[in-house]
Amino acid sequence: GQQVMQIPQYQHVQEGEDFTTYCNSSTTLSNIQWYKQRPGGHPVFLIQLVKSGEVKKQKRLTFQFGEAKKNSSLHITATQTTDVGTYFCAGKSRSGWGSNYQLIWGAGTKLIIKP
Amino acid sequence: EAQVTQNPRYLITVTGKKLTVTCSQNMNHEYMSWYRQDPGLGLRQIYYSMNVEVTDKGDVPEGYKVSRKEKRNFPLILESPSPNQTSLYFCASSLRREGGEQFFGPGTRLTVL
Repeated sequence: GQQVMQIPQYQHVQEGEDFTTYCNSSTTLSNIQWYKQRPGGHPVFLIQLVKSGEVKKQKRLTFQFGEAKKNSSLHITATQTTDVGTYFCAGKSRSGWGSNYQLIWGAGTKLIIKP
Repeated sequence: EAQVTQNPRYLITVTGKKLTVTCSQNMNHEYMSWYRQDPGLGLRQIYYSMNVEVTDKGDVPEGYKVSRKEKRNFPLILESPSPNQTSLYFCASSLRREGGEQFFGPGTRLTVL
């Protein structure tokens, strides 16, 4: 079926380094959401992007939605130990993928802080 | 406190023994959904419900049933569990069926022997 590809699967960084995860869809999305899942926890909503080319910031986190609404990224500046977890994107298709009310999830990027 | 609750949190069972995982939300949300999470595969949607008595299949519905008789509850039923249904299960809800923030339950870790 249709997928949202998310890369990389893992990223190891030193504390203080930056982190970026990317999501790519083969079809146009109506919106994309980002979630964070701490180890042993459940996904927690971070943000939703709707507009073409949209950029939103939450403190050290920057979220972007591509001009064509087919890709998105999450960038964390100067990672801290509290950033550890897996980051998921979830895209809602504009049309074509099953129901209009389904989200298609990326496989997630696990952020690991090197000791 | 606004929340999604799931029970049980952990369950070990044997092949073929029917089980139900309950999900309840106290936020008057229209939309509810069940996901399973497996390593390297992210979250895959099993079933979702847009409102009372309205349910539909997600990406991996085989072997599962759901019902939505009340707005707050959305139980997941495994009539005859098999080992390939060993997974971490999450229930989620959102205010509107058209989208928006999903609130997740704490998860149910199911092992089928």
